[in-house]
Amino acid sequence: DARVTQTPRHKVTEMGQEVTMRCQPILGHNTVFWYRQTMMQGLELLAYFRNRAPLDDSGMPKDRFSAEMPDATLATLKIQPSEPRDSAVYFCASGLGQGQYGYTFGSGTRLTVV
Amino acid sequence: AQKVTQAQTEISVVEKEDVTLDCVYETRDTTYYLFWYKQPPSGELVFLIRRNSFDEQNEISGRYSWNFQKSTSSFNFTITASQVVDSAVYFCALSDLISSGSARQLTFGSGTQLTVLP
Repeated sequence: DARVTQTPRHKVTEMGQEVTMRCQPILGHNTVFWYRQTMMQGLELLAYFRNRAPLDDSGMPKDRFSAEMPDATLATLKIQPSEPRDSAVYFCASGLGQGQYGYTFGSGTRLTVV
Repeated sequence: AQKVTQAQTEISVVEKEDVTLDCVYETRDTTYYLFWYKQPPSGELVFLIRRNSFDEQNEISGRYSWNFQKSTSSFNFTITASQVVDSAVYFCALSDLISSGSARQLTFGSGTQLTVLP
């Protein structure tokens, strides 16, 4: 089965450090989402790409978060500097078209900022 | 604005009971898609089903069935003869156009924690 691959699976870092999370979407998928999941807020949309172009990143704290797709096989989410409140599970999802085929999620990156 | 409401935060049933998870949505879009995802204790999000707004046929897949009613903006999920392995958090999600009309977004409900007891 085709999969969305996220690395790393777990990351523990100290406050103030830079964190980069990576996502390899399913080959051929042209839509990529980044979500953050916490107990308090549930699943929050951070960023959304279509054909590598960012379409919506209104849910992302702009001062410290950035999301990019340097090529069709890689999406990155960067936090600089990280803070304890950024501790969460970050999911990447990919899909084709306009949602009519569904979206496949990666296994997530569990980030802990101490 | 788009919104997905899963009013049931937690449900607990005994194995072999039937259980229905409720989902109500709001959207101004006329063409939209609805999804259910399962998140087992291992944490991954597993796609279960997708429904188009123009197809109100109910669907059955094994012990799972889905009831889509556009008139009440609901997309409910029923598990028949529940099993312990069904224990998970279940999310309902809506894909509709963002306000500019240029793209679609995927909005999740807050999830329902289902516990099936042996």
